[in-house]
Amino acid sequence: DQQVKQNSPSLSVQEGRISILNCDYTNSMFDYFLWYKKYPAEGPTFLISISSIKDKNEDGRFTVFLNKSAKHLSLHIVPSQPGDSAVYFCAAKFAVGGADGLTFGKGTHLIIQP
Amino acid sequence: DAGVIQSPRHEVTEMGQEVTLRCKPISGHNSLFWYRQTMMRGLELLIYFNNNVPIDDSGMPEDRFSAKMPNASFSTLKIQPSEPRDSAVYFCASTTTEQETQYFGPGTRLLVL
Repeated sequence: DQQVKQNSPSLSVQEGRISILNCDYTNSMFDYFLWYKKYPAEGPTFLISISSIKDKNEDGRFTVFLNKSAKHLSLHIVPSQPGDSAVYFCAAKFAVGGADGLTFGKGTHLIIQP
Repeated sequence: DAGVIQSPRHEVTEMGQEVTLRCKPISGHNSLFWYRQTMMRGLELLIYFNNNVPIDDSGMPEDRFSAKMPNASFSTLKIQPSEPRDSAVYFCASTTTEQETQYFGPGTRLLVL
């Protein structure tokens, strides 16, 4: 029973266009959500996050949207660049403040085409 | 500033052998996490420590797996005896209790033949 789901294993987007990566979760107790980016043979690196009390967080080309009623979040990248090609993981944690383990989705492989 | 350091980066061993994975967290971080990535199950939490004390080891798959954190700058994940199904990439991550973000090491790719 996967609590965090990324239903698209891969996504191909043209350079300069918008990339939209989706994530659904089932546990309403999740309080904080994060997106990580992973290149081959490297560890995941933090990209952007959002608390459950917000519905949007923006950082440069990256915006995360949270719809609590639908238990859905999305990551928007605009404009998409070749260096954005990577695997993107959605993650969730139960408690804001205090260290706690992350529950990850299985990832979406984003491919930016020139 | 050094990130999370993991060793070895690659490990190939035979079934039945003992495997020890090592992690040095970022200096000043007091929480440390071990994750495992497989094709079937994705990234899953195995165990985490706060201030060197194990808090949640419910993700440890079997008694063959054990983890220790003898001090704030070192942790080990041991598999004894190893089995082919333990083949995976093992990641260590660290953070402080004031942060939400965890910082990951480069991982150890383990292959058990």
